[in-house]
Amino acid sequence: NAGVTQTPKFRILKIGQSMTLQCAQDMNHNYMYWYRQDPGMGLKLIYYSVGAGITDKGEVPNGYNVSRSTTEDFPLRLELAAPSQTSVYFCASRETGETFFGQGTRLTVV
Amino acid sequence: KNEVEQSPQNLTAQEGEFITINCSYSVGISALHWLQQHPGGGIVSLFMLSSGKKKHGRLIATINIQEKHSSLHITASHPRDSAVYICAVRDTGNQFYFGTGTSLTVIP
Repeated sequence: NAGVTQTPKFRILKIGQSMTLQCAQDMNHNYMYWYRQDPGMGLKLIYYSVGAGITDKGEVPNGYNVSRSTTEDFPLRLELAAPSQTSVYFCASRETGETFFGQGTRLTVV
Repeated sequence: KNEVEQSPQNLTAQEGEFITINCSYSVGISALHWLQQHPGGGIVSLFMLSSGKKKHGRLIATINIQEKHSSLHITASHPRDSAVYICAVRDTGNQFYFGTGTSLTVIP
């Protein structure tokens, strides 16, 4: 098992550009999550999914979109990047037990 | 007010010391997780607790559901334990809430 794989690891975007952060897990987990981590703050939930075809907003969804067409993949889309979206993004998955995290994507919007 | 509060925010210890990190939460929970974030940024799950106590090597995690409190203990601390330790709770609606983390530095 590779666990949770996030790509890319680093990215610099210009204001107004769009991009997709990829997240894939090979553990057949139903629950998947996207978080952002800002300095001095706890992880904040952006979107989550309880299974293929089902997504819901978390605490800080504005400026982001997600889709869950398969159990394995949960991409996060930024349509019009803004400096406030500079952060480290983590994807996570779980079933009934442990939560597994991806390695994170460090995104800078300039 | 955060749903999850951790203390201390920063902790420096000498190698070999016994370390305690505390976590208090205000929501009803299904489970509590202790996470370790390495200096490189990756996050790994150390424990998932819903009651009692768990031990893994030099790490011990306890939870008191009535008091809504958990502690993470590290015995015989080592410089490789230097990391940020994050308390996270999963509420009964399957949402997670995270503490802001405790930055631990263990000095040789």
